[in-house]
Amino acid sequence: EAGVTQFPSHSVIEKGQTVTLRCDPISGHDNLYWYRRVMGKEIKFLLHFVKESKQDESGMPNNRFLAERTGGTYSTLKVQPAELEDSGVYFCASSHIRHENIQYFGAGTRLSVL
Amino acid sequence: AQTVTQSQPEMSVQEAETVTLSCTYDTSESDYYLFWYKQPPSRQMILVIRQEAYKQQNATENRFSVNFQKAAKSFSLKISDSQLGDAAMYFCAYRSSGGSNYKLTFGKGTLLTVNP
Repeated sequence: EAGVTQFPSHSVIEKGQTVTLRCDPISGHDNLYWYRRVMGKEIKFLLHFVKESKQDESGMPNNRFLAERTGGTYSTLKVQPAELEDSGVYFCASSHIRHENIQYFGAGTRLSVL
Repeated sequence: AQTVTQSQPEMSVQEAETVTLSCTYDTSESDYYLFWYKQPPSRQMILVIRQEAYKQQNATENRFSVNFQKAAKSFSLKISDSQLGDAAMYFCAYRSSGGSNYKLTFGKGTLLTVNP
């Protein structure tokens, strides 16, 4: 069974540009989460989808971040326009509706904003 | 709000020895879950072990075990017979048990080096 996959693994962009990160959860997992780790700090929750609906988006930093999960399968996280402080590693995780206690993580996307 | 503290940014251990990673947390809830995740370099973060707060017995998974002290709000991870493949960043995490709040709260992580 394929795990959670994230694309790209690394992205380098300039301040003011737009970047879109993608996450493919494990097949059959209705729960999908986005987290972010800024250098030297904790991994912080961004938002939680149940299927295509946003269950909790309390961690989204501001309106430059837009997450979507059309059709309840893969998800995208768009940053527009990117700022220097957006640099970090963005993790995606998914969990099964009957085993929501176990979140499976992807390897992350390292975003560098120059 | 809950917080998780990992006071050891880095730790090292000799192969085949035992190492303990510390984690403390702060919460006003009585029921919750605690986790240890491991992230090898450039690879996926994987769940090592989990503990439900209502269970008094410490969780064990092969060479990995926890010392869960609920009153002290402490959740340390012990790795026995350390192997080179155990080298990774280790994250302690907390999750509320109530409602539909599934988000994990993480500590800053401990980088474990295993010396041959």
